[in-house]
Amino acid sequence: NAGVMQNPRHLVRRRGQEARLRCSPMKGHSHVYWYRQLPEEGLKFMVYLQKENIIDESGMPKERFSAEFPKEGPSILRIQQVVRGDSAAYFCASSEGSNQPQHFGDGTRLSIL
Amino acid sequence: AQTVTQSQPEMSVQEAETVTLSCTYDTSESDYYLFWYKQPPSRQMILVIRQEAYKQQNATENRFSVNFQKAAKSFSLKISDSQLGDAAMYFCAYRSAHSGNTPLVFGKGTRLSVIA
Repeated sequence: NAGVMQNPRHLVRRRGQEARLRCSPMKGHSHVYWYRQLPEEGLKFMVYLQKENIIDESGMPKERFSAEFPKEGPSILRIQQVVRGDSAAYFCASSEGSNQPQHFGDGTRLSIL
Repeated sequence: AQTVTQSQPEMSVQEAETVTLSCTYDTSESDYYLFWYKQPPSRQMILVIRQEAYKQQNATENRFSVNFQKAAKSFSLKISDSQLGDAAMYFCAYRSAHSGNTPLVFGKGTRLSVIA
């Protein structure tokens, strides 16, 4: 049973470009969470999605960031017009239900030039 | 809002010795979960141990055990017989048990070095 798959592992973008980060949850998991980890910091919650629905986006910046989890395909975290401060590791986790353990992917390290 | 505090940015331990990592948290809820995650240089987030707040018995997983003091809101991790592979960042995390409110809240982490 494959774990949570995130790609790409590393992503380099220039300021002003768009970044798309993908997350395929574990088989049978319909709940997806995105977290951001700044250097030397713990992970901070961004958004929680179930299939086709955003349940909690209280940790998402109000502008430039969006997330989706379509009926088919991976969850996507999209960052438009990236800035240097977006440089971080972005982790996805999935679970079977809202109170089930969250399993993490290996993260995507986003670097902004 | 819940907060998690890890007061030790860095710790070191001799191989085969025991080390305790501290974690305190703040919450007004009575039902929740607590976790310790390990993040090695590869950056994976690996679940080490989990504790349900309603359980008085401290969780253990092989060489890893916790000291859960609910009244003091303290959740320390003890690593016995430390091994070189235990070197990593360790994060303490909290999660509410209320349905629909399930994001993890993490501390800033403790970097553990293991000395051969």
